[in-house]
Amino acid sequence: AQKVTQAQTEISVVEKEDVTLDCVYETRDTTYYLFWYKQPPSGELVFLIRRNSFDEQNEISGRYSWNFQKSTSSFNFTITASQVVDSAVYFCALPGAGSYQLTFGKGTKLSVIP
Amino acid sequence: DGGITQSPKYLFRKEGQNVTLSCEQNLNHDAMYWYRQDPGQGLRLIYYSQIVNDFQKGDIAEGYSVSREKKESFPLTVTSAQKNPTAFYLCASSGRDGDNEQFFGPGTRLTVL
Repeated sequence: AQKVTQAQTEISVVEKEDVTLDCVYETRDTTYYLFWYKQPPSGELVFLIRRNSFDEQNEISGRYSWNFQKSTSSFNFTITASQVVDSAVYFCALPGAGSYQLTFGKGTKLSVIP
Repeated sequence: DGGITQSPKYLFRKEGQNVTLSCEQNLNHDAMYWYRQDPGQGLRLIYYSQIVNDFQKGDIAEGYSVSREKKESFPLTVTSAQKNPTAFYLCASSGRDGDNEQFFGPGTRLTVL
């Protein structure tokens, strides 16, 4: 069965600090995708990234970067120079092979303090 | 603009009543989903539908029912059999491939009085 663990329940940082959100997963599938979503206070989940298990290159998008390491089953998310607008709950998720069921971690609540 | 709408945003219900949550999408997506979110928890799948007139139970389907008569619509009924219905409900849609990213609506917060 799929499992996603986000060990950090809550993180607080001061604006402009860098912060890394951890995600560790378990799957028996040989190929799979991983996702990160952001849930701001409004409640709607916003899709951030989808990563294929074949591709272990780091991904960078502006201030966001993702480090995928298949050897340690981790897919960590780093925000550089954090801003107050980054305050949200962030979820890591993993689908089963050919499955429509996304397994979500419990989320990490990030608070960026001005 | 393409997207997913859910209504109402807030819903109050008395114990013993059934209530239906609306979800509509104009993204032309084949698949639609309903999730439940409780405080401090991740999302748990209630039901999903890959195609019109077909749907499958997720992890926590007991006390809920759905229908998929149109591609654009996937309403969720919370029945009186659901023992603890107070929660935040999120609807999502995606392309037919299960590995596609899911796009979410703004959610409905249901409170049972």
